[in-house]
Amino acid sequence: AQTVTQSQPEMSVQEAETVTLSCTYDTSENNYYLFWYKQPPSRQMILVIRQEAYKQQNATENRFSVNFQKAAKSFSLKISDSQLGDTAMYFCAFILLETSGSRLTFGEGTQLTVNP
Amino acid sequence: DGGITQSPKYLFRKEGQNVTLSCEQNLNHDAMYWYRQDPGQGLRLIYYSQIVNDFQKGDIAEGYSVSREKKESFPLTVTSAQKNPTAFYLCASSIGLYPGYTFGSGTRLTVV
Repeated sequence: AQTVTQSQPEMSVQEAETVTLSCTYDTSENNYYLFWYKQPPSRQMILVIRQEAYKQQNATENRFSVNFQKAAKSFSLKISDSQLGDTAMYFCAFILLETSGSRLTFGEGTQLTVNP
Repeated sequence: DGGITQSPKYLFRKEGQNVTLSCEQNLNHDAMYWYRQDPGQGLRLIYYSQIVNDFQKGDIAEGYSVSREKKESFPLTVTSAQKNPTAFYLCASSIGLYPGYTFGSGTRLTVV
């Protein structure tokens, strides 16, 4: 079974600074995707960024980027120029592509607070 | 606009009662999922369905039941056998093997 671990339950950062959220996962497969989701106080799940395991290049989306280390099974999220609206719970998630369908497995989450 | 609708947003249940949470999507997605979220924990998979009239147990299926009679609908019943049902429940859908999930806005269930 695949597992996803986020070792930082809570983090805080000052507005305009950079913060990195950690995530590790465990799998023996090669064909998978990794995600970071954001859940603000409204509790709506919002996709932040996605990484295909077969791609060596790290994914970026504006102020959000990842550091994907496949051999180490590590998938960290870097948020640059943090904004107050970035305050949310962040979940790392893993999906294994199987012929019978896909199941998304989540980490425990990291509560990020951006301070003014 | 296409999306997933979960209802109700808040639900209160007396102990010993069954309750059903609604999840409807108009995205023409094949697969649908139910997740449970507790404080300090990530989302845990309850049930999922890849096609109509077929569904599989997830990691915490005990005390829950589902049906998939229509492609658009995937209701979740929380039975009296579920000992600790107070939680936030999220429904999601995806297009088969395409790894992009769309989430509903959730239902907060409280046992009173």
